[in-house]
Parts: sequence; C-alpha cells; structure tokens
Amino acid sequence: QSVLTQPPSVSGTPGQRVTISCSGSSSNIGSNTVNWYQQLPGTAPKLLIYTNNQRPSGVPDRFSGSKSGTSASLAITGLQAEDEADYYCQSYDNSLSGWVFGGGTKLTVL
Amino acid sequence: QVQLVESGGGVVQPGGSLRLSCAASGFTFSSYGMHWVRQAPGKGLEWVAFIHYDGIHKYYADSVKGRFTISRDNSKNTLYLQMNSLRAEDTAVYYCAKEVTGSYYVDYWGQGTLVTVSS
Repeated sequence: QSVLTQPPSVSGTPGQRVTISCSGSSSNIGSNTVNWYQQLPGTAPKLLIYTNNQRPSGVPDRFSGSKSGTSASLAITGLQAEDEADYYCQSYDNSLSGWVFGGGTKLTVL
Repeated sequence: QVQLVESGGGVVQPGGSLRLSCAASGFTFSSYGMHWVRQAPGKGLEWVAFIHYDGIHKYYADSVKGRFTISRDNSKNTLYLQMNSLRAEDTAVYYCAKEVTGSYYVDYWGQGTLVTVSS
C-alpha cells in the first residue's frame, strides 16, 4: 500500500492527451513538492518532472506537471508510442521523515 | 557524464547479509546526498535510505530501519548499503541515485543490482 495513490493504469491513442493523478495528504504533497519519474520497460527510472512542474532539459514539452492542495497530476499531450512506460510520482513526507512514492501507473498507447 | 554503477547483488539466504556498492563518477561525489531505492519484481518503487553529502545524517524507511545501514566513502566516490537480517520481502532491484542538493528529488540513477533472498 503506497502512501501516494495513483491509478494502476491509463491508456490512450497516439496524439491524444492523458493525465495521471497522484493523491497524497497534508504531510507529503500538501507540504512539499512533487516529482515524476518515467520508467521504460527494463530500464532504470528517469526524472521527468521536478518541483511540481519543471522539466529537465531534454524532456519534451508534451509532458507537464501540476499540483493543487494534496494532489498532483502529470499530463502528456500528443501521445506517442514511445511514451508507453510506468510513471511514478514522488514527494517527501514530513511525518515519515523520508521519501514516498506512488504505486506507479502503467501507460499503454493503443 | 554522471555515472552510477551498482554492484554486490546476488542470492542470499533469509537471515543473511549482503553489502551493495555504488561507484560514482562524472560529478563531485562528496557534494551530493545519495539515495537507495528498490523495486521488487513486478512492483513499484520504494525508497530505502538517504545519506547526506558528509555522511553524518542518515535516514531510513521503516521497513529497513535497524537492519540496513547506508554509508559512503567520499575518498573512493562510493556509496554503500549494508543489508543484514535479510528477508524474502527484501528481494528487489536496488538502485542508487544522486540527489539534487536540498531538493528532495534525484536527477541520476544507476542501472540497479538484483538482490534475491531465498533458501
């Protein structure tokens, strides 16, 4: 049972827009920033979005993040086949004094 | 370029011990906090431990507290994870990752090393 809650799976067709939600509480998302990681099959995670809505260099602007209250979202526009991956949200939890992850969302491009 | 290379994984019996290493290069290792994150087969990511740049302050997930010890040797640019009293549920790929200072996120990950706890 993950501290942050994500839908297990989402899907979309090429060119579509999809969103992945991440729900937490006042001790994590409500008090701290949210980061998103993309994990392609068989590879290590990769930083996708940091500090709620910032993209590292090299990440396409099709990926965007937002945060409101105790929830956050990752949006992917212009869906492409290579976006098929697992996506994880992550924050810091003040009560646990450590990082927390969402359970991960598997994105399928139909 | 930044490289993180984990080693030391393998098969160990329940109750046994293992020490993982993470060799860092391409950045000033002694200036950055480092994390261990694990992923059980077919499961999601789980944060394991964090150590400050100077090796003094360390933090652990409740699931490993008292059994695992994170440490670093800045003279060797190497991060360690000493794992004792291993359980079947510790079976996972273990990743080391470099934190962006004071930010609560990591910008580089290693490729991971598999630890299997089984009799």
